[in-house]
Amino acid sequence: NAGVTQTPKFQVLKTGQSMTLQCAQDMNHNSMYWYRQDPGMGLRLIYYSASEGTTDKGEVPNGYNVSRLNKREFSLRLESAAPSQTSVYFCASSEWDSNEKLFFGSGTQLSVL
Amino acid sequence: RKEVEQDPGPFNVPEGATVAFNCTYSNSASQSFFWYRQDCRKEPKLLMSVYSSGNEDGRFTAQLNRASQYISLLIRDSKLSDSATYLCAGGSQGNLIFGKGTKLSVKP
Repeated sequence: NAGVTQTPKFQVLKTGQSMTLQCAQDMNHNSMYWYRQDPGMGLRLIYYSASEGTTDKGEVPNGYNVSRLNKREFSLRLESAAPSQTSVYFCASSEWDSNEKLFFGSGTQLSVL
Repeated sequence: RKEVEQDPGPFNVPEGATVAFNCTYSNSASQSFFWYRQDCRKEPKLLMSVYSSGNEDGRFTAQLNRASQYISLLIRDSKLSDSATYLCAGGSQGNLIFGKGTKLSVKP
């Protein structure tokens, strides 16, 4: 039972490079999320998708784009990476209801040099 | 101002101790509350949902106080394996806000 799968687990980029973080869930959840976690800042929501075909900005969306490819997959793209985007990125999914428990992927450690 | 605040700790306690974490939230419209556990270099994992009536799961008890806008987590008879960072979270659909986490170290 895979749950939420993120790839890659580690990535090093140079400033200005682009990349896409992939996320897939096999729990048939409607909602998916991208968070970043930085020391002393906690988890911050970048973007979320309440259902297939919809995406909305979270707390820190600048510098990122997302695509909800289908119900299972939600990708996060950095078009022009900056050192400030060095972070651990977590994808999560949940059912879209009033008691939405999030299930997280194992994370992507991204370093931008 | 962070919408969900919690003491960052660390809390260093001996095995068998009872430890309590508190977390305050500023958005009175928040509907859902949770405690997550995060081990070093791992993803957060749901520990408990939090309800106004209080809920208990073994050694863990969670409580929500809507009037005072805080949630709490009590761990009784702490074990070495309880050492982790505990994150509180609160919010509504699509907007779950996490606290920065409280680090717990349980010592032999």
